[in-house]
Amino acid sequence: AQSVAQPEDQVNVAEGNPLTVKCTYSVSGNPYLFWYVQYPNRGLQFLLKYITGDNLVKGSYGFEAEFNKSQTSFHLKKPSALVSDSALYFCAVRDINGNNRLAFGKGNQVVVIP
Amino acid sequence: GAGVSQSPRYKVTKRGQDVALRCDPISGHVSLYWYRQALGQGPEFLTYFNYEAQQDKSGLPNDRFSAERPEGSISTLTIQRTEQRDSAMYRCASSRGGNTKDTQYFGPGTRLLVL
Repeated sequence: AQSVAQPEDQVNVAEGNPLTVKCTYSVSGNPYLFWYVQYPNRGLQFLLKYITGDNLVKGSYGFEAEFNKSQTSFHLKKPSALVSDSALYFCAVRDINGNNRLAFGKGNQVVVIP
Repeated sequence: GAGVSQSPRYKVTKRGQDVALRCDPISGHVSLYWYRQALGQGPEFLTYFNYEAQQDKSGLPNDRFSAERPEGSISTLTIQRTEQRDSAMYRCASSRGGNTKDTQYFGPGTRLLVL
């Protein structure tokens, strides 16, 4: 079975400071990894994904994530947070040899303080 | 083009009633997925389709839940004899193909409240 852990409920960061949202995963094979963001009263928006190749993946709105196979992690990062980055962030995983379902973490609320 | 759309956006119903939730995927997308999201949790998989064929329905919680996609485009998730525990956000997503690499794009969701 595939699963994701997002250990922190809420991440508080001052505007302009680096932002990190943590994610660890568990799959039986190799993973495909995704980050989504949810703004209030909006759907889940795709940010970025890791499929293969370079472990550092760049996505929308200045976000990036680093795949670390030995630590089974896929932390989301942004060098300089904006107030508008305040939202709920979800990490998700698929086993490349498994079915098409995504397994999501419980989400992390990010609060960027002006 | 337009993104995934879902209707209704909000549905309030009484226990025991049937409800039908609709999803209109991105035009040309082969695969369509249904998820359910409880408050404070991430989405949980319910079922998915490639074209009109239901490929996996193992996430449907019981036989009160069913889904169809008869023409390979619009899909309907039906919950019969609703119960209070069915209250949740129901999310639909579509992807270009059926490959596990493909990105799933989500609609705005339908919030269901069963009284």
